[in-house]
Amino acid sequence: DAKTTQPNSMESNEEEPVHLPCNHSTISGTDYIHWYRQLPSQGPEYVIHGLTSNVNNRMASLAIAEDRKSSTLILHRATLRDAAVYYCILRDLGGGADGLTFGKGTHLIIQP
Amino acid sequence: DAGVIQSPRHEVTEMGQEVTLRCKPISGHDYLFWYRQTMMRGLELLIYFNNNVPIDDSGMPEDRFSAKMPNASFSTLKIQPSEPRDSAVYFCASRYRSYNEQFFGPGTRLTVL
Repeated sequence: DAKTTQPNSMESNEEEPVHLPCNHSTISGTDYIHWYRQLPSQGPEYVIHGLTSNVNNRMASLAIAEDRKSSTLILHRATLRDAAVYYCILRDLGGGADGLTFGKGTHLIIQP
Repeated sequence: DAGVIQSPRHEVTEMGQEVTLRCKPISGHDYLFWYRQTMMRGLELLIYFNNNVPIDDSGMPEDRFSAKMPNASFSTLKIQPSEPRDSAVYFCASRYRSYNEQFFGPGTRLTVL
């Protein structure tokens, strides 16, 4: 899987939007962009994924750059429950690799 | 749905002992994954199964590690003999076909003294 680069940590205030960036300059045409998060003392949980177009779901939005070399996970109104490590992962659905390759992720801190 | 179930949640053992971790995937899911998380190495894939058949075990660190999936609702990860460097949180995850979302269990925290 191609490599992603994320900031080690970010801090935000409760009830404000949060933009978590991810760079993936070596992304291939068949790589999907996935985001997972891991709350303290829990297993990772799926957040969102996309290929080319921006995506929205009940948890977050995913904004993908036109050249697909970067993306941004947007939490529209952060709560204390959103404090977690957020992982940006590329997964090639054309290559047959099924496991997820986790990097170090971004540790999101939410201030009340 | 109950989600992915792992047992035990915590395991403390002594070096040299055999350790068996258990996982029950979500009913109907045909992929099962085992991951390990440590401070030094982060989250890493150990092995995964498709329809109970091991597909890729290249992440298994040594021959001391083995995994089985005797049926669609049960998998085990065994370490024999265990060593202190095996101390980690072990996660099991399952997925339905090639759909993108993996569902993770709560993990087993293993401590080898």
